Amino acid sequence: SQQGEEDPQALSIQEGENATMNCSYKTSINNLQWYRQNSGRGLVHLILIRSNEREKHSGRLRVTLDTSKKSSSLLITASRAADTASYFCATDAGTYKYIFGTGTRLKVLA
Amino acid sequence: SAVISQKPSRDICQRGTSLTIQCQVDSQVTMMFWYRQQPGQSLTLIATANQGSEATYESGFVIDKFPISRPNLTFSTLTVSNMSPEDSSIYLCSVEVLGAGYGYTFGSGTRLTVV
Repeated sequence: SQQGEEDPQALSIQEGENATMNCSYKTSINNLQWYRQNSGRGLVHLILIRSNEREKHSGRLRVTLDTSKKSSSLLITASRAADTASYFCATDAGTYKYIFGTGTRLKVLA
Repeated sequence: SAVISQKPSRDICQRGTSLTIQCQVDSQVTMMFWYRQQPGQSLTLIATANQGSEATYESGFVIDKFPISRPNLTFSTLTVSNMSPEDSSIYLCSVEVLGAGYGYTFGSGTRLTVV
């Protein structure tokens, strides 16, 4: 079964707005990663947050991790049309293996 | 980070036939993985491709259906055998180069349609 469940499943916002998507998982993790996928292509690694970290930033991206709630969020600030993609969280499921969440389809309207 | 070349990028195949997907990495990597992404779904790990030994398959995936080769540290193939329309998916290879915790690099995927 999948480790990560994401919500919302789909999100539509206007350009310039912020987009927040959430990931919940079931078991203890060492780290959690976020990926972007454009139009059914390969995934692009966005950011990794370790279990002892609470927040991480990368450009317009902000990721938080709450291990007590087994949840993470990805915030994209000042969204652009080019941010339109599916976003997946992935949690480690053993040595070198990751399980991907269900994904959030983000659409940014120009 | 590693650069992955995955071929073919897409194919349309007849049921009952087999397709071999290639994954070439521009540097030696320890871990290589094959994933399947069914239409509108998330990624599911098929197997870990082990250099010089049999692949390690996840629950629900078997070697007869998805034989995998990994002759060296830069190359792997996944074969989808005796295909049916249910095998229509995107197949992706991925590698982890810098050790656990640094994220995966993914190939661009192979979009397979079985008719």
